[in-house]
Amino acid sequence: LAKTTQPISMDSYEGQEVNITCSHNNIATNDYITWYQQFPSQGPRFIIQGYKTKVTNEVASLFIPADRKSSTLSLPRVSLSDTAVYYCLVGDMDGAGNNRKLIWGLGTSLAVNP
Amino acid sequence: DGGITQSPKYLFRKEGQNVTLSCEQNLNHDAMYWYRQDPGQGLRLIYYSQIVNDFQKGDIAEGYSVSREKKESFPLTVTSAQKNPTAFYLCASSIVIAKNIQYFGAGTRLSVL
Repeated sequence: LAKTTQPISMDSYEGQEVNITCSHNNIATNDYITWYQQFPSQGPRFIIQGYKTKVTNEVASLFIPADRKSSTLSLPRVSLSDTAVYYCLVGDMDGAGNNRKLIWGLGTSLAVNP
Repeated sequence: DGGITQSPKYLFRKEGQNVTLSCEQNLNHDAMYWYRQDPGQGLRLIYYSQIVNDFQKGDIAEGYSVSREKKESFPLTVTSAQKNPTAFYLCASSIVIAKNIQYFGAGTRLSVL
């Protein structure tokens, strides 16, 4: 079974770059790695997804090494409004290499301080 | 405005009572999901449906039931058999071939009286 590991919490200051890493083994070889952001009492919101190497959008960058055993979400120049919980989402793989289901990380609570 | 609407935002359940949480989407998505969220435990899948009139149990389906009579609607019933129902419930939808990109509602917070 695939398993994900994320840091429980992180602290940062406004204007800094924040990198959150999710370790994941036995993930589906044919599926994307996806990251979400969640504010208190709201549903998670899609941020970015990637398959390998680096992906960048207007919000974040995602770095995925060749072995796909981890992924790093990078938030450039965070602000107070980036204080939220960040989840990684990966696909699980059965013995035949088929994608069985999705596995959510437990989330990383990011606190951005002034 | 396209999106997912969950109602009510807050719900209270009396002992022995069944309660139903509503989830409606106008995104024309075939797949819909129900998650339960407890502090420190992330999202746990209760039920999901990839097509009308079909649904599958997730990891924690005991004590819950669903129906999918219309593409737009996926209500969740928390039955009296669910002994610890206090949690934040989230509904989501996606297109079937991109199920890792899910659109979530604002959630329903269920408490026991």
